[in-house]
Amino acid sequence: NAGVTQTPKFQVLKTGQSMTLQCAQDMNHEYMSWYRQDPGMGLRLIHYSVGAGITDQGEVPNGYNVSRSTTEDFPLRLLSAAPSQTSVYFCASNPPGLRGETQYFGPGTRLLVL
Amino acid sequence: GEDVEQSLFLSVREGDSSVINCTYTDSSSTYLYWYKQEPGAGLQLLTYIFSNMDMKQDQRLTVLLNKKDKHLSLRIADTQTGDSAIYFCAEKVTDKLIFGTGTRLQVFP
Repeated sequence: NAGVTQTPKFQVLKTGQSMTLQCAQDMNHEYMSWYRQDPGMGLRLIHYSVGAGITDQGEVPNGYNVSRSTTEDFPLRLLSAAPSQTSVYFCASNPPGLRGETQYFGPGTRLLVL
Repeated sequence: GEDVEQSLFLSVREGDSSVINCTYTDSSSTYLYWYKQEPGAGLQLLTYIFSNMDMKQDQRLTVLLNKKDKHLSLRIADTQTGDSAIYFCAEKVTDKLIFGTGTRLQVFP
């Protein structure tokens, strides 16, 4: 199993540009999440999905869109990038329930918005 | 509201014990987790504890939970340079994880 994969690893955008951060998992997990990590602020939940066709907002959803057309994929879209979206983005997946099982994290995408 | 707090930095000498502390606010948390993040990498689960437990030991790691004070700690015995990383605590609230700000552990010889 590849686990959770994210592309690209690094990206530089200009203000106002759009892009999609890709996330895929091959563990047949129903739950997938997107977090952003900023210095001194830990990980903050952007959006999450409890299954194909179902998405919901997390703590910091503004400026981001998601969709979940398949169990495997959970792309994160920035429609009009802003410098405040400069961050490291992590995708995670887990089976339902989040008991002793953990979330499995991807390696992250480092995004710089100029 | 949901809030998880940690001190930002901890520096220890190799071979000493490290204790990383975390406080949380949501009393309905059922599971609490400790994650490790090495430079340039994602988060990796170290250990977890169920909320009806006071302590859990896993090799060099000891987790202590004081549910009354909403305080969680991670003790790393015989700390090594390879333990240098950022450590995050997280609490499970419904089906979401709420993360702390992370503690950067630096181990010096």
